Amino acid sequence: IRITQSPSSFSASTEDRVTITCRASQGISSYLAWFQQKPGEAPKLLIYAASTLQSGVPSRFSGSGSGTDFTLTISRLQSEDFATYYCQQYYDYPITFGQGTRLEI
Amino acid sequence: EVQLVESGGGLVQPGGSLRLSCAASGFSFSDFYMDWVRQAPGKGLEWVGRIRKKANSYTTEYAASVKGRFTVSRDDSETSLYLQMNSLKTEDTAVYYCARSESYYPIDYWGLGTLVTVSS
Repeated sequence: IRITQSPSSFSASTEDRVTITCRASQGISSYLAWFQQKPGEAPKLLIYAASTLQSGVPSRFSGSGSGTDFTLTISRLQSEDFATYYCQQYYDYPITFGQGTRLEI
Repeated sequence: EVQLVESGGGLVQPGGSLRLSCAASGFSFSDFYMDWVRQAPGKGLEWVGRIRKKANSYTTEYAASVKGRFTVSRDDSETSLYLQMNSLKTEDTAVYYCARSESYYPIDYWGLGTLVTVSS
């Protein structure tokens, strides 16, 4: 299953509202997760099942979608949110990731 | 606290072999699936392979790019995960992450990674 993530990079400011999208090449129900990765660190799970917030993740992060089209929204960007974001489908093997979205100041 | 600590990375020549290890602690290792994910320098994430738990007969899944060359295994008594990599290619150069998962759940914990460099 191919995952197309957009945009590949994006410039924004603190307090902005940002949306990142992922499109799957076939239906994956709600088996989609979102990860945040900062330079030199391992990825961190933000959202799973398309819209369920992982424990400890700030509520400014939200996810939506099902089937083939999904979005990650950060409602009010904070300085610590500037990172690279990846979506991942875990509906079928091989598990696949989107290409990543680099969010820059 | 869940901890995953990879080891065994290093420099290897093309065609060579390497075995990565991942020491797990802070959770019931035997109750979870375990994955390997890699990230080439400056690139995105690529899932490598998975091993299921004993209840699922320790069955495995692999990405097409490594199938037949890499083998995922585990030792529940040692709470350890392994990745045997054979016939290594330059394109296998990456940071390799050990990660915890479950059936129809995503990876929820990742190790810090170990760097594998395949070069002559």
